[in-house]
Amino acid sequence: QSALTQPPSASGSPGQSVTISCTGTSADVGAYIYVSWYQQHPGKAPKLLIFEVNKRPSGVPDRFSGSKSGNTASLTVSGLQAEDEADYYCSSYGGNNVAFGGGTKLTVL
Amino acid sequence: QVQLVESGGGVVQPGRSLRLSCAASGFTFNTYTVHWVRQAPGKGLEWVAVTSYDGSNKYVADSVKGRFTISRDNSKNTLYLQMNSLRVEDTAVYYCARDRLWFNSFDYWGQGTLVTVSS
Repeated sequence: QSALTQPPSASGSPGQSVTISCTGTSADVGAYIYVSWYQQHPGKAPKLLIFEVNKRPSGVPDRFSGSKSGNTASLTVSGLQAEDEADYYCSSYGGNNVAFGGGTKLTVL
Repeated sequence: QVQLVESGGGVVQPGRSLRLSCAASGFTFNTYTVHWVRQAPGKGLEWVAVTSYDGSNKYVADSVKGRFTISRDNSKNTLYLQMNSLRVEDTAVYYCARDRLWFNSFDYWGQGTLVTVSS
């Protein structure tokens, strides 16, 4: 149950796009479509943004998109807004367990 | 609306036990897989345990195996986490979270309950 690897920080100006990577292995990210992304504001519970690599739950803006290539998944936030400043976590099914990334703090400059 | 409300957190000495509860409402609890996920202060998320909709399948993380037990009472719409032999490193906010399917994704989360293990 090794953690997935995310960059600790990312940043962008309002209106710009930012992509956050999430690297796992052939036993988790590379093996399954069950990759998800979560947004967490300080003091709040995480919120589901993306499930099954690139699907958005109802109510999540289409500015948030997900993709995967091999053992690396990515979250792209387009048209950055001030309220997008938060921590972002990826997760992947790994065979009767779930691995999370270490989290990426997104700063909107 | 879907609600998950955790309770039972507090300060406990190393080696002692604690039981967390998660009361569910706003959905048909007995048809959903549910998990416990924790977050140490200032740290990232860590998956802890899962139980299937009927409690027949359960898995826990290696870090808590043999010490933590997940269970559910569908008649009470409640999820539990029995934590024994607590360690300082178990200090965290514990969230219960609903799964869309089985190990698919966590679509609803509770507000969390803080467990502090300290002498």
